[in-house]
Amino acid sequence: QVQLVESGGGLVKPGGSLRLSCAASGFSFSDYYMSWIRQAPGKGLEWVSYISSSGSSKYYADSVKGRFTISRDNAKNSLYLQMNSLRAEDTAVYYCARVRRGGYYYMDVWGKGTTVTVSS
Amino acid sequence: EIVLTQSPGTLSLSPGERATLSCRASQSVSSSYLAWYHQKPGQAPRLLMYGASSRATGIPDRFSGSGSGTDFSLTISRLEPEDFAVYYCQQNGSSPPSVTFGQGTRLEIK
Repeated sequence: QVQLVESGGGLVKPGGSLRLSCAASGFSFSDYYMSWIRQAPGKGLEWVSYISSSGSSKYYADSVKGRFTISRDNAKNSLYLQMNSLRAEDTAVYYCARVRRGGYYYMDVWGKGTTVTVSS
Repeated sequence: EIVLTQSPGTLSLSPGERATLSCRASQSVSSSYLAWYHQKPGQAPRLLMYGASSRATGIPDRFSGSGSGTDFSLTISRLEPEDFAVYYCQQNGSSPPSVTFGQGTRLEIK
């Protein structure tokens, strides 16, 4: 079945780095844009970044621009988020999601999320 | 950047009642790019509606969406116990490319 599984979360000190991964299965990964969305504890959803199907186009929220890098490996059916210069306000559950486009824009498949905690 | 404002912040209703949730955009949004999700505690969000009024796969017909321009709404005709959750609207912008979520409406059992 169609599935996304995130991994790589954990506890990191302010200023540190972390790389999140999202393994996709059950669909043709290389055909879809993909996105990262996060949710701070007790807060709403915040879009982080999305990447085109080929990986040639990448877009970021202002809050992470210059610190986070989205990438993908279509041969491995995997999406990544490299997070550098982490701050306390980056503490959140990070979800990857499949993007549907073509006259619409929405995220129809979500992973269960991986938790990132930035604390000294 | 387009801001989405959802109202009310919390809606307290009983099973069987009708719920209407609002999502207002700070400037006009194409209805094609307006989606709704709900999220239950400890779970990932789930897509409900896309294109403002199209139900996602597996979503029952008690859910309906409408609206255009800056005002959109999600209606649940008869609330079931599993409908009590937090609801988010979302839009996609192109200049610059970005995605925005509303702050959410908590639908709770009265």
